[in-house]
Amino acid sequence: EDQVTQSPEALRLQEGESSSLNCSYTVSGLRGLFWYRQDPGKGPEFLFTLYSAGEEKEKERLKATLTKKESFLHITAPKPEDSATYLCAVQGTYKYIFGTGTRLKVLA
Amino acid sequence: GAVVSQHPSRVICKSGTSVKIECRSLDFQATTMFWYRQFPKQSLMLMATSNEGSKATYEQGVEKDKFLINHASLTLSTLTVTSAHPEDSSFYICSARDMALGGNTEAFFGQGTRLTVV
Repeated sequence: EDQVTQSPEALRLQEGESSSLNCSYTVSGLRGLFWYRQDPGKGPEFLFTLYSAGEEKEKERLKATLTKKESFLHITAPKPEDSATYLCAVQGTYKYIFGTGTRLKVLA
Repeated sequence: GAVVSQHPSRVICKSGTSVKIECRSLDFQATTMFWYRQFPKQSLMLMATSNEGSKATYEQGVEKDKFLINHASLTLSTLTVTSAHPEDSSFYICSARDMALGGNTEAFFGQGTRLTVV
């Protein structure tokens, strides 16, 4: 059965304290792994797409990497405005499977 | 990135009434749209896949007669919650992919609709 697990469930960082979020997955025939940011009361905002192991994508303070079993979202020197829930999703046969997300809080 | 617009963002309705939520792809055509439901501090649960010009495909456990989906054009899908009850109160989100870019590309999400049934 296709499955996505994100850890940690919640994370509190001081401003400037770098860290990584994990997304572990099992899926038959990975067609894509996606990272989203979701603010309270809003729909998910697209961040990255990764298709194959070894691929990396960067955007400002965020960097996403992919292996055959997991993906990491690295946050370098985070700022309070990076506080949000970060969702990981994988595409198997035709639909997305979402993880439960990591709630990130960056303290000033 | 592509823009998906969802309306309304918030709605309060009385028990027994119906509520319609609209999802529009503004700058691309979406032959397929997806409807999700999200409970507090939980992930997105796929309810149904909306296909333009044909019947929607519902996930197991989702009542198709309660959650009516219409995808009448390449840019609009609607979700109607019929005979709403308080337990239907939730956050509903739609998404769409630009199929012209291929079937494995990222999906873009609407802003979500907070439904409260009183």
